[in-house]
Amino acid sequence: QKEVEQDPGPLSVPEGAIVSLNCTYSNSAFQYFMWYRQYSRKGPELLMYTYSSGNKEDGRFTAQVDKSSKYISLFIRDSQPSDSATYLCAMSASYNYGGSQGNLIFGKGTKLSVKP
Amino acid sequence: NAGVTQTPKFQVLKTGQSMTLQCAQDMNHEYMSWYRQDPGMGLRLIHYSVGAGITDQGEVPNGYNVSRSTTEDFPLRLLSAAPSQTSVYFCASSYGGTATDTQYFGPGTRLTVL
Repeated sequence: QKEVEQDPGPLSVPEGAIVSLNCTYSNSAFQYFMWYRQYSRKGPELLMYTYSSGNKEDGRFTAQVDKSSKYISLFIRDSQPSDSATYLCAMSASYNYGGSQGNLIFGKGTKLSVKP
Repeated sequence: NAGVTQTPKFQVLKTGQSMTLQCAQDMNHEYMSWYRQDPGMGLRLIHYSVGAGITDQGEVPNGYNVSRSTTEDFPLRLLSAAPSQTSVYFCASSYGGTATDTQYFGPGTRLTVL
């Protein structure tokens, strides 16, 4: 079992829909959680960062972490065609990158398409 | 402010050839890293550096070398290219190499090894 599981999709929704993207993980030591957005043939860019359990909101985006279920989510409200991209979850067990616990572990990414 | 730049954008190699992928950043970031992205595998860390003169291995270091002689540059060397190294390579940098520091990714180098 991979440490981080993410459904690759593709996921297709109409404009204005609420989108839910999810990752599950097996390492209970993970406590730093990120969501990245990657447009086609571009590098990933950080969308949201969350520490431990709870919710974080930034405009149309909400990140949720449920450590008891080892499950994280990204919600996109009022989705737009410009949201069409691949969304990557990433997580780390350590505050400092590096070493056996500090490397960022990425999910495979979910490809999202928002149709006008 | 150019951010993170990578050259070349595309490269085709024959098995056994060597080459260097270039990465540079102009943000005075201490932490730099190299990832490879393969279909169905996600991003995997190859090597990273926490500052000039300091490098360490990531998850998939075999077949790759790095050095960090300046803060700005972090080249990745393929010693003897193999078809298994066909991938998209991303360089990233962040200010301090912590979970609260935003990692900025370059545009990637698409490498094909025949």
